[in-house]
Amino acid sequence: SQTIHQWPATLVQPVGSPLSLECTVEGTSNPNLYWYRQAAGRGLQLLFYSVGIGQISSEVPQNLSASRPQDRQFILSSKKLLLSDSGFYLCAWSRAVEQYFGPGTRLTVT
Amino acid sequence: AQTVTQSQPEMSVQEAETVTLSCTYDTSESNYYLFWYKQPPSRQMILVIRQEAYKQQNATENRFSVNFQKAAKSFSLKISDSQLGDTAMYFCAFLRGNRDDKIIFGKGTRLHILP
Repeated sequence: SQTIHQWPATLVQPVGSPLSLECTVEGTSNPNLYWYRQAAGRGLQLLFYSVGIGQISSEVPQNLSASRPQDRQFILSSKKLLLSDSGFYLCAWSRAVEQYFGPGTRLTVT
Repeated sequence: AQTVTQSQPEMSVQEAETVTLSCTYDTSESNYYLFWYKQPPSRQMILVIRQEAYKQQNATENRFSVNFQKAAKSFSLKISDSQLGDTAMYFCAFLRGNRDDKIIFGKGTRLHILP
């Protein structure tokens, strides 16, 4: 069966520090991968999605970037965090139609 | 562009009651998929149910069922015999008939099941 992992689960970072969130999927190959952000009590905002290694589409221009160095690995990065980057970050994968989500990372920028 | 609208930001029902969450969408596509996702307090997003637009029969998963009205572009979720564990945020979502496309999510309905 397929599983999706995200780490870390919780992160507190100061403004201006770098960020690296990692997502990996097991049990499938060539998945579509997605990064979403969710502010407290709000809906989902799609940040990036990838249909293959090295193929990244950005939905929202901002100080975040994404990379897909391996087929089942998706990384969300920032060189300098802003206060507005705080939120809950969800990674998801799809192989056919449904998307399946990871457990998420709660990021607090102080 | 496709849009998904959930008109009920928050709802509360008593345990064991039946509750219906509303969702409307706008599209010019004929081939698409609709979903309901559940996000409990743990914040793990869980797929509840899926409906293909070409299927006339409404999808059902145990206590969860949908009322899919294609002409009206309506896709409501019915939860029967509600349980405390159904307390969650529920998101309606739309996907065009292409797996490489993006799912469009509604803003969500927060559902409270009261003991």
